Amino acid sequence: GENVEQHPSTLSVQEGDSAVIKCTYSDSASNYFPWYKQELGKRPQLIIDIRSNVGEKKDQRIAVTLNKTAKHFSLHITETQPEDSAVYFCAAVNNAGNMLTFGGGTRLMVKP
Amino acid sequence: GAGVSQSPSNKVTEKGKDVELRCDPISGHTALYWYRQSLGQGLEFLIYFQGNSAPDKSGLPSDRFSAERTGGSVSTLTIQRTQQEDSAVYLCASSWTVNSNQPQHFGDGTRLSIL
Repeated sequence: GENVEQHPSTLSVQEGDSAVIKCTYSDSASNYFPWYKQELGKRPQLIIDIRSNVGEKKDQRIAVTLNKTAKHFSLHITETQPEDSAVYFCAAVNNAGNMLTFGGGTRLMVKP
Repeated sequence: GAGVSQSPSNKVTEKGKDVELRCDPISGHTALYWYRQSLGQGLEFLIYFQGNSAPDKSGLPSDRFSAERTGGSVSTLTIQRTQQEDSAVYLCASSWTVNSNQPQHFGDGTRLSIL
C-alpha cells in the first residue's frame, strides 16, 4: 500500500519568513495530492491540492510543487503570519480514489 | 450548503460499552470516508463507502468495529466492547464520488474517550 513520509515534524519560523514542508510517497500510481491545515481541536481543512499532470500550483501565499519522478511534493508558504500556525498534513490518494494516506503532520509555529 | 456533520461531538463512556458515531455527509456526496486520529497523531484511514457499499473493510482496527450506510447518506460507525485504546477523534469525510480527483471534506469529528 501507499506510504507517505512528511518532514519536518515541527517547524518554527519568524513572521514574514517562508515555510517549506516536504512529503514523499511510495506508490507511483497515486495521482492526487491534497494538503490539509488543522487548527487545534478543529477539522482538517483542504488548503490546496495538486494533480499528477501538474508540476506546480499556486494560490496567493501558498504553493505546492510535485516531482512525480522522485515521488515527492512540497508545500510552500510565503510571508507567514501568526494565523498560519497549525498542523499541516500532506496526503496521497491512490489511483482508485478510495483511500487517502496521510503524512504524519507538521506543526508550524509562526512567531510574531 | 451545510458541511459534513458528525454527532456526538464528544462521547465519554466506560470500557466495555458499545458506542455509535454518526456522520451526515454533504448533500449529494456519494462517497463517505471514516478516519481515526489519535492524540497528536496523523489520520488513520478506516473505511470508505461508495453509495451504501463498503468494498474493503480491511482498514478497520478489529472485528469490534463496524460501519454501515443506508440510503446513500448517513453513516454510522459502531464500536462494540470499547477498549481504552479506542480513545481518539473519529473523523468523517465526504466527496462527490470515489474518484482520485475529488477532494474530501471533513467534519468536526467525534472525540471519544474510554474510561
